[in-house]
Amino acid sequence: DVKVTQSSRYLVKRTGEKVFLECVQDMDHENMFWYRQDPGLGLRLIYFSYDVKMKEKGDIPEGYSVSREKKERFSLILESASTNQTSMYLCASSPRDSINEKLFFGSGTQLSVL
Amino acid sequence: QQPVQSPQAVILREGEDAVINCSSSKALYSVHWYRQKHGEAPVFLMILLKGGEQKGHEKISASFNEKKQQSSLYLTASQLSYSGTYFCGGDQTGANNLFFGTGTRLTVIP
Repeated sequence: DVKVTQSSRYLVKRTGEKVFLECVQDMDHENMFWYRQDPGLGLRLIYFSYDVKMKEKGDIPEGYSVSREKKERFSLILESASTNQTSMYLCASSPRDSINEKLFFGSGTQLSVL
Repeated sequence: QQPVQSPQAVILREGEDAVINCSSSKALYSVHWYRQKHGEAPVFLMILLKGGEQKGHEKISASFNEKKQQSSLYLTASQLSYSGTYFCGGDQTGANNLFFGTGTRLTVIP
């Protein structure tokens, strides 16, 4: 089974801190995605990557950046955390072989910014 | 760019049927459906490609009307295990880059 692992299940940070959310997948997938999930808003795409060192902005990239130095790892960075970034963050991956490939999600990181 | 889902929430008794709708203002290459149980990761249900293909998964099936950019998820003879939040995801580029709807919370009661 594909495994997408997010480093922390719960994280509490202070306003202004630099925050790193890590995601690792073990199935050699080319595509990786970061979503945030908020009640009533569903899943919103922050950033995605189709290859190492490649990144594309999603719907809501403001206040975030990403890093993909290795194929299996995709990091989400909050340069200066703010309270409105309190949310559940979900990482996902998929192969790039065709358009009908499903996403595999990690269990999520619940981030609280105080 | 998010698809619009309806209804936002629905409560069913075991054995009842439900339909969840997903509508996009943008042309889609495909529509994905996922179910998320409380505290867990979303889990894939099925993909609908352009062409109006209907797919099935146990007693859950779906359709995609390419002309209207609308997809519907059909749950028949619902079971307690069907409870969760259902999300549709629209692929606008053909590159598996999904924009998800706001979700439909489905609760099945005995």
